[in-house]
Amino acid sequence: AQTVTQSQPEMSVQEAETVTLSCTYDTSENNYYLFWYKQPPSRQMILVIRQEAYKQQNATENRFSVNFQKAAKSFSLKISDSQLGDTAMYFCAFMKHAGGNQFYFGTGTSLTVIP
Amino acid sequence: EPEVTQTPSHQVTQMGQEVILRCVPISNHLYFYWYRQILGQKVEFLVSFYNNEISEKSEIFDDQFSVERPDGSNFTLKIRSTKLEDSAMYFCASSGQGYTEAFFGQGTRLTVV
Repeated sequence: AQTVTQSQPEMSVQEAETVTLSCTYDTSENNYYLFWYKQPPSRQMILVIRQEAYKQQNATENRFSVNFQKAAKSFSLKISDSQLGDTAMYFCAFMKHAGGNQFYFGTGTSLTVIP
Repeated sequence: EPEVTQTPSHQVTQMGQEVILRCVPISNHLYFYWYRQILGQKVEFLVSFYNNEISEKSEIFDDQFSVERPDGSNFTLKIRSTKLEDSAMYFCASSGQGYTEAFFGQGTRLTVV
């Protein structure tokens, strides 16, 4: 079974600062995908960034980047130059490479950007 | 930009009633999903659908739940006899060929009273 753990239920950061959200996962799969989704107050799920497990290079998407440590099964999200619009719930998610394409979500980290 | 759309945005129903939640996935996508999120909790997988049949379902997806793709565009989730604990946000999602990310709709907030 796959599990995703986010150990930080709440975090805050000053506007323009950098924050890192943690995520660990457990799987016996070798090929898989990892994602960070953002859920603002509107509650829509918005993809922030994704990482393929077979790629060693960490994914980046503008101000968002990940630190993917496959051996440690760790997948943290770094948000640089935090903006007020980054205030949201952030979910780490895992998807197996083979079979059903089911996403396994962590319990989420509520991030507040303080002006 | 193509998007997944869900209707209605909010549905209130009495306990024991049937409810149908509707979704229009992105047109060229092949995999369809329903997830739910009880308020304050994590997003939970309900069911995935591919090639006109269920490919995977969770323990939550019991006999009270069913899914259907009645035509080429809609994807529905039916709850036959709603319970109070079915109150949640229900998200539809779709993904394309291969193991790509899922695109989520804006959700339907179901309130069972």
